[in-house]
Amino acid sequence: KQEVTQIPAALSVPEGENLVLNCSFTDSAIYNLQWFRQDPGKGLTSLLLIQSSQREQTSGRLNASLDKSSGRSTLYIAASQPGDSATYLCAASTGNQFYFGTGTSLTVIP
Amino acid sequence: KAGVTQTPRYLIKTRGQQVTLSCSPISGHRSVSWYQQTPGQGLQFLFEYFSETQRNKGNFPGRFSGRQFSNSRSEMNVSTLELGDSALYLCASSLDTTRPMGHEQFFGPGTRLTVL
Repeated sequence: KQEVTQIPAALSVPEGENLVLNCSFTDSAIYNLQWFRQDPGKGLTSLLLIQSSQREQTSGRLNASLDKSSGRSTLYIAASQPGDSATYLCAASTGNQFYFGTGTSLTVIP
Repeated sequence: KAGVTQTPRYLIKTRGQQVTLSCSPISGHRSVSWYQQTPGQGLQFLFEYFSETQRNKGNFPGRFSGRQFSNSRSEMNVSTLELGDSALYLCASSLDTTRPMGHEQFFGPGTRLTVL
């Protein structure tokens, strides 16, 4: 069974700092990996989707990388802003279902 | 384009009752997946429907069931509610026609279910 881990569970940074969120998965035979953000009490907002054949995807200040051989993905956030404060979740797809990590709660301090 | 909608947004039920939640996917999306989110277990996959057929299923008891209609709208039902069923129930839709979990998923706002 695929297991997805996100470290750290919580992160607090000053505004303007660049940061990296980590996602690890146990089974490298993934179909794709998707990053989401979730605001308190809300649904998930898709940030980036990386297909298994890709190494990275970029959207604005966000860059996600994927290394299947090591079972890792990272989400890089440049020049963090208070509005980036949320929980960030990664999900690995095996082709039959998505397996979610428990998330990293990010707080950006003004 | 309208996003994924879920109704109702909040529900309060008592143990032993049953509940039905509804999800309308993004127009043109044929795959709908359901998830349960709790503080202790995180996001767990319930099941996925595609073209009115359940294609994939997670490890939940038979009290949890679902269906999909010809317009791709989906419902999930939980019978004989237990206190532990209190959670945020999320549905997600994706465009895919051949690889159900291979395309980007878009989530609705969720239904918050409280079981007393």
